[in-house]
Amino acid sequence: NAGVTQTPKFQVLKTGQSMTLQCAQDMNHEYMSWYRQDPGMGLRLIHYSVGAGITDQGEVPNGYNVSRSTTEDFPLRLLSAAPSQTSVYFCATWITGVLNTEAFFGQGTRLTVV
Amino acid sequence: GQQVMQIPQYQHVQEGEDFTTYCNSSTTLSNIQWYKQRPGGHPVFLIQLVKSGEVKKQKRLTFQFGEAKKNSSLHITATQTTDVGTYFCAGPTGSNYKLTFGKGTLLTVNP
Repeated sequence: NAGVTQTPKFQVLKTGQSMTLQCAQDMNHEYMSWYRQDPGMGLRLIHYSVGAGITDQGEVPNGYNVSRSTTEDFPLRLLSAAPSQTSVYFCATWITGVLNTEAFFGQGTRLTVV
Repeated sequence: GQQVMQIPQYQHVQEGEDFTTYCNSSTTLSNIQWYKQRPGGHPVFLIQLVKSGEVKKQKRLTFQFGEAKKNSSLHITATQTTDVGTYFCAGPTGSNYKLTFGKGTLLTVNP
C-alpha cells in the first residue's frame, strides 16, 4: 500500500518546455487535487477532481491542465513552462464527507523553470 | 471568496516555551483540520475537529474549534526541537470537495 505517489521528485525545465507531473493513489479515494506551495503563500489549489471524468479549477489554474481518466491517476500538465511556475507541487487525495476529510499528500515534486 | 487566515506567519521559541497558532475563516466551517509539515517534507494530517467548541488533545498539543465554527487554535505546551515545522489549518470551503489551507505558521525552536 504505497498511498500517494508523485513522480518525479525533482525537475528542471527550460522556459517554454512542457511536462507532466504524475500522481497515483492506491487508496481508492474519490477526491484528488493538486496544490502548489510557494514561500509565504501556503498551499494553493490548482485543480481538483471528485471522480473519474470530473475535474474543476481551483484558485490558481492558469498554465496547468489536468485530466482524470481513472480513479487512481491524476496527472498535472504544464504546456509551456514559465519561471513563475517554479514551485513545489503536492498531490493530495481524500474521501469526501464531513466526518472523514483527512487529506493524504504525496512526497512533492520540486520544479524549477529557468 | 472564502478564506482561511492563519497567524502568526512565523514563531521562534526557546525549547520549553509554549506556542500557539490561530486560524480564522471568513465563513462557518463544517470541520477544520490541522497538518504539520516538517522542513523538506509534505503535510501530514494531525487532527480534525467537527463540533462547535470541541477541544482535543494529543500529548502536548491542544486543538480547539470555536463556538461559531469560524476559528480554531493549536497550542503546544513545552515545545521540543521535534516540534519544528510549519503548521497548517485547513477547512472545506464551498463543498467538501475543496480544501482551503491557511498560509501556515513556521515554528522554529532554539535548543
